[in-house]
Amino acid sequence: ETGVTQTPRHLVMGMTNKKSLKCEQHLGHNAMYWYKQSAKKPLELMFVYNFKEQTENNSVPSRFSPECPNSSHLFLHLHTLQPEDSALYLCASSPESLADSYEQYFGPGTRLTVT
Amino acid sequence: GQNIDQPTEMTATEGAIVQINCTYQTSGFNGLFWYQQHAGEAPTFLSYNVLDGLEEKGRFSSFLSRSKGYSYLLLKELQMKDSASYLCAVLDSNYQLIWGAGTKLIIKP
Repeated sequence: ETGVTQTPRHLVMGMTNKKSLKCEQHLGHNAMYWYKQSAKKPLELMFVYNFKEQTENNSVPSRFSPECPNSSHLFLHLHTLQPEDSALYLCASSPESLADSYEQYFGPGTRLTVT
Repeated sequence: GQNIDQPTEMTATEGAIVQINCTYQTSGFNGLFWYQQHAGEAPTFLSYNVLDGLEEKGRFSSFLSRSKGYSYLLLKELQMKDSASYLCAVLDSNYQLIWGAGTKLIIKP
């Protein structure tokens, strides 16, 4: 596969469940990002990893926990979510951080529904 | 605060031209991006402007005026496949990407 892939594409979970979202990029990039996209709202940057090190955490609740074991893989661990967390979660990558390169490549997203 | 404004929705006719505007107020400026996002799909990069003027890329052009905090995306010879949301985003002085809420473009035959 090429580009940025995300699994699962759709996820329905209860508020007491624990689940994980997975993102994989096959582009040789060094920076990876998690975004939340809610209907009719701007993309919200959640986390940034640059060379496997977390460089941004934009006041995201602790019920979202990122993990970046290597520069090709990014996870978002979810636990005790709220219904308002229902959204499309997008993963993206770029060759280097935004300060050095400009274009981000996005995965297709995981549509999360919290019941 | 930082803000990106773009129209929520626009409608245009196949074969016509449409201009999608984006105005921004940000702390500093290091470039402006346009992305296209089809329903249920990933956003894809369209253009990047950091200097004033018009950048043309096939049927799509992007314009920037830094003094006015303004950009537009111009789509010519519209095709049905151009129906999508168009996202404007600005890279601020801290190299944070500030996103607009997107403009949903509907193309009618």
